[in-house]
Amino acid sequence: GDSVTQMEGPVTLSEEAFLTINCTYTATGYPSLFWYVQYPGEGLQLLLKATKADDKGSNKGFEATYRKETTSFHLEKGSVQVSDSAVYFCALIKAAGNKLTFGGGTRVLVKP
Amino acid sequence: DAGVIQSPRHEVTEMGQEVTLRCKPISGHNSLFWYRQTMMRGLELLIYFNNNVPIDDSGMPEDRFSAKMPNASFSTLKIQPSEPRDSAVYFCASSSGQGWSNEQFFGPGTRLTVL
Repeated sequence: GDSVTQMEGPVTLSEEAFLTINCTYTATGYPSLFWYVQYPGEGLQLLLKATKADDKGSNKGFEATYRKETTSFHLEKGSVQVSDSAVYFCALIKAAGNKLTFGGGTRVLVKP
Repeated sequence: DAGVIQSPRHEVTEMGQEVTLRCKPISGHNSLFWYRQTMMRGLELLIYFNNNVPIDDSGMPEDRFSAKMPNASFSTLKIQPSEPRDSAVYFCASSSGQGWSNEQFFGPGTRLTVL
């Protein structure tokens, strides 16, 4: 079945550091890929998405590129802030489907 | 727009009691999803509806769980009888259309504790 694997956290960084969270997926066909963010005590919010190979999703300084050859969708940000402290989830939806398959989540803690 | 509304935000109950969680999706959205989040199992899709009709309930853990969507603006998830292993955060989400790249909007969640 479909699956999403992302690096385990927690990831602890200093402010202005570079952040990478690895995400790889297993799915047949051509899924859409997503990154969701969950701030403490809140529900998930869509951070960015990409719907086809080589697409780059970007939002709030975060970027991720859909790499079909490596089945990856790694999340990056060049300079993190304390406010980026959250849990980040990689997810996919297959074509003609409605079900999000989530990775296990990666907790990021940014210290001042 | 008020976003997806869930109630209650917190629920503490005793084993064996009935628990009902409520969700109001974003107006105009025709797909609704119930998820459960635990440390052990992460985020799991329990069931989803399209145009008020249950499409896939394969994630519902067992017969103690049931979900209904009597109209486009309301859904419930019921656990009867509840057990301590049901303790989790339950999220409701909604989206528009059946497009596979459509964003799902999540509610704030209901934190359930079964003693």
